[in-house]
Amino acid sequence: GQNIDQPTEMTATEGAIVQINCTYQTSGFNGLFWYQQHAGEAPTFLSYNVLDGLEEKGRFSSFLSRSKGYSYLLLKELQMKDSASYLCAVSRLRGPQGGKLIFGQGTELSVKP
Amino acid sequence: DGGITQSPKYLFRKEGQNVTLSCEQNLNHDAMYWYRQDPGQGLRLIYYSQIVNDFQKGDIAEGYSVSREKKESFPLTVTSAQKNPTAFYLCASSMGGNSYEQYFGPGTRLTVT
Repeated sequence: GQNIDQPTEMTATEGAIVQINCTYQTSGFNGLFWYQQHAGEAPTFLSYNVLDGLEEKGRFSSFLSRSKGYSYLLLKELQMKDSASYLCAVSRLRGPQGGKLIFGQGTELSVKP
Repeated sequence: DGGITQSPKYLFRKEGQNVTLSCEQNLNHDAMYWYRQDPGQGLRLIYYSQIVNDFQKGDIAEGYSVSREKKESFPLTVTSAQKNPTAFYLCASSMGGNSYEQYFGPGTRLTVT
């Protein structure tokens, strides 16, 4: 089967750094996506990791360890507009379950002044 | 501008009525997807299509139907057989293959009373 776990909610302070973790169990792993979703809006793509290591993109970085089934999204210099839900999604190789993403429940991040 | 559109943004229906949600993309993407999102939950896949005239059931296909007669369009019909149709429905598209990011439409919030 497959399982993706993220914390339900987190709170952080403006200007700080926050790390959102995601653990997964799946066979035929083919990469992990992070999306940002503001309330009532569509998710927007943040990052994609298929190999182990850290991918940095501006204030956002994403890390993957395939052997541990673990990823995190790191947000630096937090801004109020970063308050949103962050979705972790796992991609599977082609096959009966291929060609689609499996999403975690999302982590609701609140940034306080 | 290239993008993916869904209409309408809000939709109200009486119980027992079928309703069709529109999804159109001009990104020339092969693959299209329909998700459902309930409060506090992640995205759950209803149906997906990797190519015109072909589609597969996702994890929660019961009570829904789709068609893919044109590359640009992937309408979703919520039938009266769907027991809990009130939800936020998101359509997405991608270049195909599960290593490509999915682009999401703005969503349709369906309320059935």
